[in-house]
Amino acid sequence: DQQVKQNSPSLSVQEGRISILNCDYTNSMFDYFLWYKKYPAEGPTFLISISSIKDKNEDGRFTVFLNKSAKHLSLHIVPSQPGDSAVYFCAASEGSGRNFNKFYFGSGTKLNVKP
Amino acid sequence: DAGVIQSPRHEVTEMGQEVTLRCKPISGHNSLFWYRQTMMRGLELLIYFNNNVPIDDSGMPEDRFSAKMPNASFSTLKIQPSEPRDSAVYFCASSPGGGGYTFGSGTRLTVV
Repeated sequence: DQQVKQNSPSLSVQEGRISILNCDYTNSMFDYFLWYKKYPAEGPTFLISISSIKDKNEDGRFTVFLNKSAKHLSLHIVPSQPGDSAVYFCAASEGSGRNFNKFYFGSGTKLNVKP
Repeated sequence: DAGVIQSPRHEVTEMGQEVTLRCKPISGHNSLFWYRQTMMRGLELLIYFNNNVPIDDSGMPEDRFSAKMPNASFSTLKIQPSEPRDSAVYFCASSPGGGGYTFGSGTRLTVV
């Protein structure tokens, strides 16, 4: 059973508008979260992270929000640009202990930003 | 640094054949991961190594799959015998520890 879920396989947004990508997790031990971006024929690249001691982390146009009680995180992209069109993966780990470096990934959301 | 290097980029093989995928991690990274990407399940962790030692191979689907890391700069993922359902993109990633993987460009495997 997948411990990290991205229930929207795709999302289409107009250029300049906000893109919101969602991710849910089931393991309450997860306390470190990452978002990766993947272009076709390339490996995923790191985008932004958040640890459970925070509920928001911002990096330029990208902001990740974490709601620990709901076991939910989201990635906001504002404003969206055509170059943001890619598959976005969220990932989670326990952040400490033996498996601190073991990340579980969601199935990805394909974002299409229309010019 | 050239990043994580995977070879081959594409592999087409017949069912029943042995397939070997290769990975060179970033120098100095002490963790290495093998992932498989499929449409249904996204990125699945197959196995990971810390300091060349396999730590968790619970994601390896069957005994047909094996992975080795003979030294800090090289790892292989082998499938023997291969089956059509093994067709996927296989990614290798390395990390210095504490999150933030760097992924390779992947090997697209097609088993016919």
